[in-house]
Amino acid sequence: EVQLVESGGGLIQPGGSLRLSCAASGFTVSSTYISWVRQAPGKGLEWVSLTYSGRSTSYADSVKGRFTISRDDSKNTLFLQMNSLRVEDTAVYYCARVQAYGGNSYGFEIWGQGTMVTVSS
Amino acid sequence: SYELTQPPSVSVSPGQTASITCSGDTLGDEYASWYQQKPGQSPMLVIYQDTKRPSGIPERFSGSNSGNTATLTISGTQAMDEADYYCQAWDSSTVVFGGGTKLTVL
Repeated sequence: EVQLVESGGGLIQPGGSLRLSCAASGFTVSSTYISWVRQAPGKGLEWVSLTYSGRSTSYADSVKGRFTISRDDSKNTLFLQMNSLRVEDTAVYYCARVQAYGGNSYGFEIWGQGTMVTVSS
Repeated sequence: SYELTQPPSVSVSPGQTASITCSGDTLGDEYASWYQQKPGQSPMLVIYQDTKRPSGIPERFSGSNSGNTATLTISGTQAMDEADYYCQAWDSSTVVFGGGTKLTVL
């Protein structure tokens, strides 16, 4: 069964750091596009970061320079290292597998259950 | 930065057709996807590549994309379709989501 399970969320003070994990099963993270998407309480979806085509990465402007996406192929796990956390980073963080359909067509087809990050003093 | 605009809410009567729009500059030149999210659940892909349905998505869900607007259409809307819907597109190597539309089935 294809599955993503996030972990690592919690309560952290502003300026602190946290590392989220996303364990994949049923497929290999090294062979696909995979992404982090977050959702602040009561708000919409916000794309955070993506890793693709080997080790290429991209980030939303709101997290660039503070967050780092990476993966451990031996553990089939995706990570999101979050530094210099701000109150506005408070959200449920989802990892999602991105399916490439050809051309410039992609879809976030598999989602994890999410992990909550609360940044507060 | 690229933006996608959706109406905050849409209402529809059971059995009727619901249309949710997503507007963005030359959006028709890109592929749009749509996601359904019910309270307390993770989002679920319902339309990709403008018009295609993943396996398991009912035929009543359809999509189109032309000009500056992508549209998600739900024909014969059922109570179970009440949810938040998000459009999504790609801008260079980054991803953009619309602000979301709450579909209410009255």
